[in-house]
Amino acid sequence: DQQVKQNSPSLSVQEGRISILNCDYTNSMFDYFLWYKKYPAEGPTFLISISSIKDKNEDGRFTVFLNKSAKHLSLHIVPSQPGDSAVYFCAARDAGNNRKLIWGLGTSLAVNP
Amino acid sequence: DAGITQSPRYKITETGRQVTLMCHQTWSHSYMFWYRQDLGHGLRLIYYSAAADITDKGEVPDGYVVSRSKTENFPLTLESATRSQTSVYFCASSESISSGRGNEQFFGPGTRLTVL
Repeated sequence: DQQVKQNSPSLSVQEGRISILNCDYTNSMFDYFLWYKKYPAEGPTFLISISSIKDKNEDGRFTVFLNKSAKHLSLHIVPSQPGDSAVYFCAARDAGNNRKLIWGLGTSLAVNP
Repeated sequence: DAGITQSPRYKITETGRQVTLMCHQTWSHSYMFWYRQDLGHGLRLIYYSAAADITDKGEVPDGYVVSRSKTENFPLTLESATRSQTSVYFCASSESISSGRGNEQFFGPGTRLTVL
């Protein structure tokens, strides 16, 4: 039973437009959420994170929004660039299981020129 | 090389053979992790280590053995490889929980293992 769900396996967006990647979770003990980006043949790289006590965190073109009541978070990329084409993973830290990140299956983003 | 490295990057082996995947990090991070990535499963934690000589099981530990005699190294051994262990393996590290970056894990480039 997946505790972190990324329901869209893929997303295609035009360059310059907004990309919105979604993530849902089920465990109320998750206290930290992270987004990672992964290019083919490379390891995931950290992108942005948010604590469960916040509802928004912004870093340049990337913003993560957290809705705790809905157990939903989203990553916004504005404006999208072709170099953003990658697989994006949502991960959640389980406060009851220190250090263990629970991962979603990923969403493959394609930004078309 | 600075950072976190894995070797080999690619490995083909046969069923029943022992295989060791190496992981080395230069940051002196306390925590190290091994994940496998398979289609339809995302990243699954195999084993992790909080410090030298301290290891613990993750979600899918069966068929794997780890050790951590030095902070910087965290080898993963498949004692008798099976076809179901064909996967991409990622090693990761992170700082102690008291650090402001403690929730972020840094990943190696991965090892693609094929078991015939």
